[in-house]
Amino acid sequence: NAGVTQTPKFRILKIGQSMTLQCTQDMNHNYMYWYRQDPGMGLKLIYYSVGAGITDKGEVPNGYNVSRSTTEDFPLRLELAAPSQTSVYFCASNEERGNTEAFFGQGTRLTVV
Amino acid sequence: KQEVTQIPAALSVPEGENLVLNCSFTDSAIYNLQWFRQDPGKGLTSLLLIQSSQREQTSGRLNASLDKSSGRSTLYIAASQPGDSATYLCALPGRDDKIIFGKGTRLHILP
Repeated sequence: NAGVTQTPKFRILKIGQSMTLQCTQDMNHNYMYWYRQDPGMGLKLIYYSVGAGITDKGEVPNGYNVSRSTTEDFPLRLELAAPSQTSVYFCASNEERGNTEAFFGQGTRLTVV
Repeated sequence: KQEVTQIPAALSVPEGENLVLNCSFTDSAIYNLQWFRQDPGKGLTSLLLIQSSQREQTSGRLNASLDKSSGRSTLYIAASQPGDSATYLCALPGRDDKIIFGKGTRLHILP
């Protein structure tokens, strides 16, 4: 029972490089989320999805893109990495908006130098 | 817009004491409220989920209460242990499909 799986766990990028953070869940959850957590700060929502083919912006979407072609996968794309994107990124999923529990991946620690 | 506040931001207590962590929210039309634990450098672990129709939920030494009318939830930890040291976050799904988090309470249990 894998739950929510994020890859990679760690990554160092140079300014201007691109990368995709992968997130997969095996619980058949409709709702998926991407958060970033800066040191000593709370979680800020980047993008979310309520089902395959549907995505929407959260609080801090600039510099990121997402897609949701399947129920299981919700990749987060950084096109032109900037030092301000140095953070820990968490993916989460939820069966539905209502009375269900949210599950989190273990995070991807990204450093942009 | 739902706003979630957690007080205090940090708390240090001697081992063995009972303690209460607070979470307040501005929109009482909630579906549920979830408490998480986060250890340094780690992901979030779900502790308790309280449905909007429930008043409290218990798991071992943890008890979470919910008062929608006052926009408050508390997490009670009984007989605290050094292993309880972590950051505790509360989170609520909003009417706009987003899950909103408080900034957390950083708890340190002194041996």
